[in-house]
Amino acid sequence: AQKVTQAQTEISVVEKEDVTLDCVYETRDTTYYLFWYKQPPSGELVFLIRRNSFDEQNEISGRYSWNFQKSTSSFNFTITASQVVDSAVYFCALSEVYEAAGNKLTFGGGTRVLVKP
Amino acid sequence: DGGITQSPKYLFRKEGQNVTLSCEQNLNHDAMYWYRQDPGQGLRLIYYSQIVNDFQKGDIAEGYSVSREKKESFPLTVTSAQKNPTAFYLCASSARGSGAGELFFGEGSRLTVL
Repeated sequence: AQKVTQAQTEISVVEKEDVTLDCVYETRDTTYYLFWYKQPPSGELVFLIRRNSFDEQNEISGRYSWNFQKSTSSFNFTITASQVVDSAVYFCALSEVYEAAGNKLTFGGGTRVLVKP
Repeated sequence: DGGITQSPKYLFRKEGQNVTLSCEQNLNHDAMYWYRQDPGQGLRLIYYSQIVNDFQKGDIAEGYSVSREKKESFPLTVTSAQKNPTAFYLCASSARGSGAGELFFGEGSRLTVL
């Protein structure tokens, strides 16, 4: 069975500090996809990134960066120079890739990030 | 604008009553999903549907029922058999495929059982 663990339940930082969110996953599949979503106070989840299991290149998008390490089954997310608008709950998720499975995602428990001014 | 609309946003129910949560999408997506969110537990899959008139149970389907009569609509009924229905419910949709596609989410419905 697939499992995603986000060990940090809440992180509090002061604006402009960097913050790293940990994500560790378990799967027996050799092909899979990993995702990060952001949930602002309004409630809907906003897609941030998708990474497939064959692509271990790190990715940077503005102040966001992701570090995928297959050897440790981790897909960590860093926010550089955090801003108050980054305050949200962040979810890591894992997807099966079989056609019949559609896009079912297994989510971690989420990490609440609080950025103080 | 294209997106997913969930209603109602807040709902109160007495114990023993069934309640139906609405989810409508105009993204022309084949697949739709219902997730339940409890504090500190992330999201858990209740039901999903990859095509009209077909749906499958997720990890926590007991006490819930769904229908998929139209591509745009995937309503969720929380029945009286659901032991602990107070939660935040999120509907999502995606283009049907190999698991690589992202899910698009609605703003959720918060159900409170009194």
